[in-house]
Amino acid sequence: NAGVTQTPKFRILKIGQSMTLQCAQDMNHNYMYWYRQDPGMGLKLIYYSVGAGITDKGEVPNGYNVSRSTTEDFPLRLELAAPSQTSVYFCASSHGTSGRVGSQYFGPGTRLTVL
Amino acid sequence: GESVGLHLPTLSVQEGDNSIINCAYSNSASDYFIWYKQESGKGPQFIIDIRSNMDKRQGQRVTVLLNKTVKHLSLQIAATQPGDSAVYFCAENGYSGGSNYKLTFGKGTLLTVNP
Repeated sequence: NAGVTQTPKFRILKIGQSMTLQCAQDMNHNYMYWYRQDPGMGLKLIYYSVGAGITDKGEVPNGYNVSRSTTEDFPLRLELAAPSQTSVYFCASSHGTSGRVGSQYFGPGTRLTVL
Repeated sequence: GESVGLHLPTLSVQEGDNSIINCAYSNSASDYFIWYKQESGKGPQFIIDIRSNMDKRQGQRVTVLLNKTVKHLSLQIAATQPGDSAVYFCAENGYSGGSNYKLTFGKGTLLTVNP
């Protein structure tokens, strides 16, 4: 199993540009998450999904959008990139049951710089 | 609001010593806790978890202790090795707005192991 994969690993954007961060998992996990991690800080939840077709906002959703058309994929869309979105983005997945989150498995991250 | 915090942002130990990393939580409804290890440039890696019906859980060289009375969690690493150098995060899973699909992460403790 590849686990959780993310592409690209690095990206530099200009202010106002858009991009999609890709995330895929092959563990048949129902729950998926997007976090951002600023230097020296913990993880902040952007969006999450408890199954295909279901998404919900996390702690810091502004400036981002997600979709979950399949169990495997959970892309994160940045519209009109801003310098405040410079961060490392992590995707994670877990097997949740009865609303319990389960152990989350993380991807290697995407390092995004907005200039 | 609810929070997960850490007592010490950095911890430096000698190789072979035991390490103890502490974490305080404030959500009394949290019933599931996880410790993650994050090496430089990588995503968080699951170490060990514990549910609130337990006080102690042991893994390979690691032990997690949960004190629900004072809402405190600790991670003990036995015979610390240079490869243990990383940032360690605790995370809690508790009810949030009627759901418990999310983990709340602390800021992390940087563990440095000196040879």
